[in-house]
Amino acid sequence: AQKITQTQPGMFVQEKEAVTLDCTYDTSDQSYGLFWYKQPSSGEMIFLIYQGSYDEQNATEGRYSLNFQKARKSANLVISASQLGDSAMYFCAMSRPWGVNTGNQFYFGTGTSLTVIP
Amino acid sequence: DSGVTQTPKHLITATGQRVTLRCSPRSGDLSVYWYQQSLDQGLQFLIQYYNGEERAKGNILERFSAQQFPDLHSELNLSSLELGDSALYFCASSADRGMGETQYFGPGTRLLVL
Repeated sequence: AQKITQTQPGMFVQEKEAVTLDCTYDTSDQSYGLFWYKQPSSGEMIFLIYQGSYDEQNATEGRYSLNFQKARKSANLVISASQLGDSAMYFCAMSRPWGVNTGNQFYFGTGTSLTVIP
Repeated sequence: DSGVTQTPKHLITATGQRVTLRCSPRSGDLSVYWYQQSLDQGLQFLIQYYNGEERAKGNILERFSAQQFPDLHSELNLSSLELGDSALYFCASSADRGMGETQYFGPGTRLLVL
């Protein structure tokens, strides 16, 4: 069974500091994708970063980087230089192929609530 | 603004009823995904359509059905509604159907079943 685990229900970080949000996943698939999404209090889901299981380099997108440790099945999100606007819920997600040449299933963790302190 | 639109924004209905949620993907996007977000179940993937065809299924109940029309908009039909169906329903779209495609989420439809 596929599963995403986010063990930190809530995190606090000082403005301008870096923070790491943990995510571990469980799958027996060789090919899969890992995502992080941000959900502000307004409710919309915002894509942050993607890492493919065959990608050897850690993904980076601006202040976001994904620390991918395949053997440990972890995909932690690192936010550098935190800003007040980073306060939000963060979800880790995994995609896996469903069938042959068809679509993909997606699994989400329970989320981590990040609060940036001025 | 992601470019994905969902209507209605809010919906209040009674148990046993049927509702239809509508989603218009971003211009040019061929894939549409439906998700349910509730307090007890978290975010659940329901179903994916690509260019009018069902491509992947998640935890979608038999009481729920979806389709994607030739103009690529999609509808999620929820029938025989129960209190537990109260949730935020998201639609997302992506350009293609690959595993790493960036999904752009709509603002969601908040459904309350009384």
